[in-house]
Amino acid sequence: GQNIDQPTEMTATEGAIVQINCTYQTSGFNGLFWYQQHAGEAPTFLSYNVLDGLEEKGRFSSFLSRSKGYSYLLLKELQMKDSASYLCAVRDTSGTYKYIFGTGTRLKVLA
Amino acid sequence: DTGVSQDPRHKITKRGQNVTFRCDPISEHNRLYWYRQTLGQGPEFLTYFQNEAQLEKSRLLSDRFSAERPKGSFSTLEIQRTEQGDSAMYLCASSKETQYFGPGTRLLVL
Repeated sequence: GQNIDQPTEMTATEGAIVQINCTYQTSGFNGLFWYQQHAGEAPTFLSYNVLDGLEEKGRFSSFLSRSKGYSYLLLKELQMKDSASYLCAVRDTSGTYKYIFGTGTRLKVLA
Repeated sequence: DTGVSQDPRHKITKRGQNVTFRCDPISEHNRLYWYRQTLGQGPEFLTYFQNEAQLEKSRLLSDRFSAERPKGSFSTLEIQRTEQGDSAMYLCASSKETQYFGPGTRLLVL
């Protein structure tokens, strides 16, 4: 089956570091993607990993371990504007390049 | 602006009516996706096109839903005989390598 798990909610303090985990079980794998979604808006692309390891992009980093079916998104120097939902998605190759999304992690950044 | 665009942005309709949404992808993107999203959930895959070919349609999708992508450019999603449970945000995304989303169409069925 297809399954993507991530925590429902997290809270962190402005200026801190937060790690959002994602575990997946899918029939195929061709990349893991992270999106940010503010309330009432469409998801915006943050980063993606195809190979194992860490990808760094400014304050955001994403890590992938394909053997463990595990990824995390690391947000550094948190700002109030980082309060949003963070969606983990796997691009599945079984048949088509379909994306399977988790339910999202709602992050609240407190002053 | 060369991003993905969707029209309309909001739609209110009465139960039983038909609605049609349009999506214009980023011009060089050959893949186009439709998703539905409800509050507190991630986007749920509905269907996917590569150029003009519809390659996959969700098994969860009833026959009231149909999508087209004539000439491999813009796409339309039609919902016939709308039900209150169809109320959701309908998202379109396009990709060449990375998927980018449009602003969505928020549908409310009364």
